[in-house]
Amino acid sequence: GESVGLHLPTLSVQEGDNSIINCAYSNSASDYFIWYKQESGKGPQFIIDIRSNMDKRQGQRVTVLLNKTVKHLSLQIAATQPGDSAVYFCAENINTGTASKLTFGTGTRLQVTL
Amino acid sequence: DAGVTQSPTHLIKTRGQHVTLRCSPISGHKSVSWYQQVLGQGPQFIFQYYEKEERGRGNFPDRFSARQFPNYSSELNVNALLLGDSALYLCASSLRGMNTEAFFGQGTRLTVV
Repeated sequence: GESVGLHLPTLSVQEGDNSIINCAYSNSASDYFIWYKQESGKGPQFIIDIRSNMDKRQGQRVTVLLNKTVKHLSLQIAATQPGDSAVYFCAENINTGTASKLTFGTGTRLQVTL
Repeated sequence: DAGVTQSPTHLIKTRGQHVTLRCSPISGHKSVSWYQQVLGQGPQFIFQYYEKEERGRGNFPDRFSARQFPNYSSELNVNALLLGDSALYLCASSLRGMNTEAFFGQGTRLTVV
């Protein structure tokens, strides 16, 4: 498959450890935020979202934390597995009145070592 | 049920040419959004269509245009191709235009030489 990003920040984690991926966003008007996983040669895959009026949301093995004061978002993956290796993007959703558009961050490559 | 399908998967064009990329949304989805993903970066919003009307446009030149057909499939057209248009073009479909419900296709890899 084709590499999604060759020069992205990389996080290396041992299998079984927890991963924390961070993201800074810019627009205070964003009404919700989404984390995506993108594997080589594929489109982004929805992981979890969080509304702007929340500060924490949990899914299966994943937790998203939102700190609106410093405009920071994080994705925590528990018990990281080799299948979690991918590029992770945060995206902020902005409604422009008639459209909903996503503004993506630059991405972080997660490498899971055995 | 098929997911979002895009065609072609790969394409090589020469500078100055035009290109048409196609997207078939998930059955029942009425909204399609297009994104451009340059290597090493996150996707950038180009267009959103809902019920065959353009609902939003990103910061792209007029060389980029799109349309949505009665069956909700969509085309993205790019004229007068530049080397910088080389990218992965992604299509996302959703039922009503809500991005929390959106599914992305695998994309079309466009290379301009």
